[in-house]
Amino acid sequence: DAGVTQSPTHLIKTRGQQVTLRCSPKSGHDTVSWYQQALGQGPQFIFQYYEEEERQRGNFPDRFSGHQFPNYSSELNVNALLLGDSALYLCASSYTGSRNTIYFGEGSWLTVV
Amino acid sequence: EDQVTQSPEALRLQEGESSSLNCSYTVSGLRGLFWYRQDPGKGPEFLFTLYSAGEEKEKERLKATLTKKESFLHITAPKPEDSATYLCAVLIQGAQKLVFGQGTRLTINP
Repeated sequence: DAGVTQSPTHLIKTRGQQVTLRCSPKSGHDTVSWYQQALGQGPQFIFQYYEEEERQRGNFPDRFSGHQFPNYSSELNVNALLLGDSALYLCASSYTGSRNTIYFGEGSWLTVV
Repeated sequence: EDQVTQSPEALRLQEGESSSLNCSYTVSGLRGLFWYRQDPGKGPEFLFTLYSAGEEKEKERLKATLTKKESFLHITAPKPEDSATYLCAVLIQGAQKLVFGQGTRLTINP
């Protein structure tokens, strides 16, 4: 049983460019959340998707957007990249219907130069 | 405002030297408290979820406990492979997000 999978694992982008990160949730999970983790800090909540809709959003600008597909996989898009967007982007999956746990993927390392 | 604070920020122990990590929280309503282990450059690995005060869970050399204001992660006779950052997070009533502490960097020297 595959866990949460994310791609790509590492990428380098230039300021002003756009990036798309992808996530496949753990089998049986229907909810996907995205987090940003700066070096030496705890992860910060970006937003959560359930039933293909954004259910809750953290304190991130509109440059950060997402999507969830019918197979529960998800994308995180960041437009007009800034140097400060350099971080580890984590995808977390869970099942809404029970007091289940929340699993994380290995993350996508984004470096903006 | 919902807040999670972990202490200490960093902890260095000798192999076999037991200790505890602390996670204190101030939240409007707790749905669950999560402990994760994170190795450098990797995603957080799930350890435990605690739901109510008085609950305890164990896994190998780790034991997590929960009170109304804080949680402890006890490490008994640690080994070098227990070296990692340990993250605490709370899931709040009426919200969908985990609120994380800044983590405790644990180093176990052989």
